[in-house]
Amino acid sequence: GENVEQHPSTLSVQEGDSAVIKCTYSDSASNYFPWYKQELGKRPQLIIDIRSNVGEKKDQRIAVTLNKTAKHFSLHITETQPEDSAVYFCAARDFGNEKLTFGTGTRLTIIP
Amino acid sequence: SQTIHQWPATLVQPVGSPLSLECTVEGTSNPNLYWYRQAAGRGLQLLFYSVGIGQISSEVPQNLSASRPQDRQFILSSKKLLLSDSGFYLCAWSEETQYFGPGTRLLVL
Repeated sequence: GENVEQHPSTLSVQEGDSAVIKCTYSDSASNYFPWYKQELGKRPQLIIDIRSNVGEKKDQRIAVTLNKTAKHFSLHITETQPEDSAVYFCAARDFGNEKLTFGTGTRLTIIP
Repeated sequence: SQTIHQWPATLVQPVGSPLSLECTVEGTSNPNLYWYRQAAGRGLQLLFYSVGIGQISSEVPQNLSASRPQDRQFILSSKKLLLSDSGFYLCAWSEETQYFGPGTRLLVL
């Protein structure tokens, strides 16, 4: 089955700087890669996703890049703000599979 | 638009008591439905998923069970709770993108 590894497990960034979270996956058939943000005590919320036919996707201060050859994808947050502090989960799924495989999460702390 | 509901929001139960958590989805038909558990400060553990009425796939053998009596209703049950069942229980639905419900925080004492 699919295995997703996520690094780092914790990340502290000065407000205004950029943050990068990286995930690798094992199944080359995976073709859908969402990212979720979970604030303390809340549900995970989808913030961005990418499909394997695209190398990069941006939404304001958030971007995701995908390298299919190396089987890794990354979340980039620019101009970080205190409200970006949360736990971020990456995930992967292959076409026809009903399940997402999640990474173990990254706790991002923005230092004011 | 689609919405997902879970109840109760919080629950405190004694060890050995039964459990029933309910999840309903509105605004969509025949969604895939999922139950996850999240221990404090940990990741998302998939417990069950369902692709249709009466169809349940179990990911982790344990004292929990799931049922889908209606297209947009998903129920998580236990006959006897264990201390280790404490956690944040999340229901989710998907057609392609997966969306989570608000969760039920369960404390077993």
